[in-house]
Amino acid sequence: DTGVSQNPRHKITKRGQNVTFRCDPISEHNRLYWYRQTLGQGPEFLTYFQNEAQLEKSRLLSDRFSAERPKGSFSTLEIQRTEQGDSAMYLCASRLSRQGSTDTQYFGPGTRLTVL
Amino acid sequence: GENVEQHPSTLSVQEGDSAVIKCTYSDSASNYFPWYKQELGKRPQLIIDIRSNVGEKKDQRIAVTLNKTAKHFSLHITETQPEDSAVYFCAAARGFQKLVFGTGTRLLVSP
Repeated sequence: DTGVSQNPRHKITKRGQNVTFRCDPISEHNRLYWYRQTLGQGPEFLTYFQNEAQLEKSRLLSDRFSAERPKGSFSTLEIQRTEQGDSAMYLCASRLSRQGSTDTQYFGPGTRLTVL
Repeated sequence: GENVEQHPSTLSVQEGDSAVIKCTYSDSASNYFPWYKQELGKRPQLIIDIRSNVGEKKDQRIAVTLNKTAKHFSLHITETQPEDSAVYFCAAARGFQKLVFGTGTRLLVSP
């Protein structure tokens, strides 16, 4: 499968614990986005990277959230001291940003986080 | 910042009928408008998109229209089939930047 992959697919944790999610974008895609989706809502933007540079962070991304893309390939999203309100589906998307490329963002299957 | 509104929230049609979903956006600088289909428990998948230099785009049974002046765009599905049942999201973006999504439309196509 050459699409965007995310791990784990499901994560159940207790309030106060730290969790980390991983996203592997489509090979050679230089832009990588993180979104959060709660039940019945559209995905909400969290942050995005151009190669290894984090270019924008949403106000939704509190100090407890941190994202990295150290080598410009895979990315990790860490949530520290999880709260019940963090329960959501965390989606990753990637795209190729180059002259002549399409604007399409391709989404991964998501990581469903449940905070007890 | 950008705000995208989407209507209706639910839409029920009979197989073979047409379905229309409408979205409005607030940021006149937005120039890219994709539509995603999301089936239960699955990832959003692009079904069609349009850039602001085009007023209409069609792909088989699916079409999207854009009115830049009024800042609204619509998804049209003709000859609906039960497998079209899903949640549909519109979105808007400035160039390569983040997508701002609408709240979704749950489409139910009854046989």
